[in-house]
Amino acid sequence: NAGVTQTPKFQVLKTGQSMTLQCAQDMNHNSMYWYRQDPGMGLRLIYYSASEGTTDKGEVPNGYNVSRLNKREFSLRLESAAPSQTSVYFCASSKTGITEAFFGQGTRLTVV
Amino acid sequence: GQQLNQSPQSMFIQEGEDVSMNCTSSSIFNTWLWYKQDPGEGPVLLIALYKAGELTSNGRLTAQFGITRKDSFLNISASIPSDVGIYFCAGQLHMRFGAGTRLTVKP
Repeated sequence: NAGVTQTPKFQVLKTGQSMTLQCAQDMNHNSMYWYRQDPGMGLRLIYYSASEGTTDKGEVPNGYNVSRLNKREFSLRLESAAPSQTSVYFCASSKTGITEAFFGQGTRLTVV
Repeated sequence: GQQLNQSPQSMFIQEGEDVSMNCTSSSIFNTWLWYKQDPGEGPVLLIALYKAGELTSNGRLTAQFGITRKDSFLNISASIPSDVGIYFCAGQLHMRFGAGTRLTVKP
């Protein structure tokens, strides 16, 4: 049982490049989340998907887009990467919007 | 939007001491969660609280869901070196996190 799987684990982008971070969960969870964590800081919610077919903005959505591809997969896209988007990105999932969430191992993204 | 205030920001304690940290919110939450994050890893769930007033233990960890539903605390008893890490509170709906408490345990 893999839980929440994120790919890639590490990525370096040049300013202006685009990329998609992938996330998949095998726990049959309804809700999925994307966070970013900057050094010495907590996790800030970028976007979430309460259920398949819905997505909503979190605290820091600017510069990002998401797709809930199906119940298992929730991707995060950076259309034009900026150095301010250098961060560690975590995906998480939960059975419902009020139950505990489980996290992936993170994607460490550097934008130069 | 919802804002969680977690304190203290950091703690330096001796092995064997007890630790207490808390989280307060400007909004009511349905669920309070406590996570621990080790360097280079994702947060791992320690305790989940679902009911106002609920007191739950997990080994040396004890957490409580405040009666007002706007606060929660986490206690760690008899700390050991492997307790080192960052502890986060989180509130559901939509999983908002506090800024974390960085715990250092001196042997």
